[in-house]
Amino acid sequence: EPEVTQTPSHQVTQMGQEVILRCVPISNHLYFYWYRQILGQKVEFLVSFYNNEISEKSEIFDDQFSVERPDGSNFTLKIRSTKLEDSAMYFCASSEQRAGELFFGEGSRLTVL
Amino acid sequence: GEDVEQSLFLSVREGDSSVINCTYTDSSSTYLYWYKQEPGAGLQLLTYIFSNMDMKQDQRLTVLLNKKDKHLSLRIADTQTGDSAIYFCAESPTGNTPLVFGKGTRLSVIA
Repeated sequence: EPEVTQTPSHQVTQMGQEVILRCVPISNHLYFYWYRQILGQKVEFLVSFYNNEISEKSEIFDDQFSVERPDGSNFTLKIRSTKLEDSAMYFCASSEQRAGELFFGEGSRLTVL
Repeated sequence: GEDVEQSLFLSVREGDSSVINCTYTDSSSTYLYWYKQEPGAGLQLLTYIFSNMDMKQDQRLTVLLNKKDKHLSLRIADTQTGDSAIYFCAESPTGNTPLVFGKGTRLSVIA
């Protein structure tokens, strides 16, 4: 069964460092998303991406964040200068249609020290 | 803003029914979802219900929606140890706007 894959599963970084989280969405999907869950908190929407551009983003997704689809298969989330409060589980998701079922990856746990 | 609330923990005995509850604030919520997260895995869509429905049944799963009280529940009949997971309630006003999730309910099934 096709699945969304994410790497790394866990990354530890120092505050101020840049981090790139990678996702490989399901191959025929057109809509891509990043969500995050801070420990003990809710899963929060960060950004959606379609046709090589951001279609929607939340207020969490500030200038420190960026997304890219560099090669037609990967979908990346970059955090330019990490802060302690960026520590969270980051989930990538993809869907075939805009209102279709979201398929989530296993998540990448980011720990900022 | 929109908010979704769930109790954090539920413990049941194997073979019993589990009922996981969720409340939401957005009166325009049209699509309501239940996701399951097993340890080390991503969020898996279990079932969903449209706001023009009161109930939806799918094998051991029954979803009940009380629009007046903005209350959604997921009932798992004959709960098995394999049902142990975190269950997330989520809502979306149109189905294509970002999902708003609750914190998740950790279901523990005791053999």
